[in-house]
Amino acid sequence: GQSLEQPSEVTAVEGAIVQINCTYQTSGFYGLSWYQQHDGGAPTFLSYNALDGLEETGRFSSFLSRSDSYGYLLLQELQMKDSASYFCAVGATNKLIFGTGTLLAVQP
Amino acid sequence: NAGVTQTPKFQVLKTGQSMTLQCAQDMNHNSMYWYRQDPGMGLRLIYYSASEGTTDKGEVPNGYNVSRLNKREFSLRLESAAPSQTSVYFCASSGGAGGYEQYFGPGTRLTVT
Repeated sequence: GQSLEQPSEVTAVEGAIVQINCTYQTSGFYGLSWYQQHDGGAPTFLSYNALDGLEETGRFSSFLSRSDSYGYLLLQELQMKDSASYFCAVGATNKLIFGTGTLLAVQP
Repeated sequence: NAGVTQTPKFQVLKTGQSMTLQCAQDMNHNSMYWYRQDPGMGLRLIYYSASEGTTDKGEVPNGYNVSRLNKREFSLRLESAAPSQTSVYFCASSGGAGGYEQYFGPGTRLTVT
């Protein structure tokens, strides 16, 4: 089976950098995805890592270490609108298994 | 493009009633998914369909059935609703291999009393 662990809450100030970690255990691994969900809204795709290393998309970056079963999402130049829940998800055959999410609160 | 649409947006059922949640996508995606989201539990996969004509169980399939009506539409049926099925239900679709990039609908908020 699969299991994922991520912190339940993180707080940071506007303009800062925050890192959200994700560790996973899975019997079959294809990659690690990250999603953002604002309160009451639909999740939206942020990034995907299939190989080790860093993927950068604007202010957001995502990192994967397959040997450590570990990844993280890095958010730079935090803005108030980044306050949301962030989910990591491991890819299996044609499906994703999601973690329980990290609630990020950005303070002024 | 509308993306992924879901109906209804809200529903209240009494225990034992049945209902079908509808989902449609206009992105020509092969794969479609149904999730439920409960507070503090993240998104849990109920059923998915990797391609038209196929369906598979996810993490929490008990109490649900699905139909992949055609490439566009994937419905979720609750035959006899229970209070434990009170949740927010999301439908998603994916066009790429592996399903790692999924597009979600706005959700259906279901309350079973």
